[in-house]
Amino acid sequence: AQSVTQLDSHVSVSEGTPVLLRCNYSSSYSPSLFWYVQHPNKGLQLLLKYTSAATLVKGINGFEAEFKKSETSFHLTKPSAHMSDAAEYFCVVSDGGYNKLIFGAGTRLAVHP
Amino acid sequence: GAVVSQHPSRVICKSGTSVKIECRSLDFQATTMFWYRQFPKQSLMLMATSNEGSKATYEQGVEKDKFLINHASLTLSTLTVTSAHPEDSSFYICSAPGPTAFTDTQYFGPGTRLTVL
Repeated sequence: AQSVTQLDSHVSVSEGTPVLLRCNYSSSYSPSLFWYVQHPNKGLQLLLKYTSAATLVKGINGFEAEFKKSETSFHLTKPSAHMSDAAEYFCVVSDGGYNKLIFGAGTRLAVHP
Repeated sequence: GAVVSQHPSRVICKSGTSVKIECRSLDFQATTMFWYRQFPKQSLMLMATSNEGSKATYEQGVEKDKFLINHASLTLSTLTVTSAHPEDSSFYICSAPGPTAFTDTQYFGPGTRLTVL
């Protein structure tokens, strides 16, 4: 069975400082991994995805994530946080058919001036 | 890009009534759509897979007679919460795999907030 664990339920950073949102996964085979962002009262938006190509994945809005098989991790990073980055972030694994998605518990990112 | 819409965005109903939520793929066809529910400050939980032209597949623990799903066309799936009760109050979200070149990506609707009084 596949699962994802987001290690932090809340992360707070100052504007202009780096962001790190941690995610570990469990999968019996090579997974497809995603990061989605959910802003209040808005739909989920795909930030980036890993589908067995390059291990360092670049997404929208300056976010990137690195797939590390040895550590079963897929942490999300951004060099410099912006106030508009404040939102809920979900690490997601696919069951291999790119259809059924399994969501992590989410990490709420707060960005302070 | 691929857009998924939901209607209504918010609905308030009395206990015992039924509520229908629509999920539409606006600029692409979707033979499969997915329904999730999200409780406050919690993650999304997959409820069921909606299949065009066949019965929906429900996740373990989800009552199929309570949450009726109909995939009427290649662009429309509906979720009907029958005999709703306050514990059914939640945020319901649908998604669909993208069009041909982007089938490895799910596109999500904006969600429907259901409040049962």
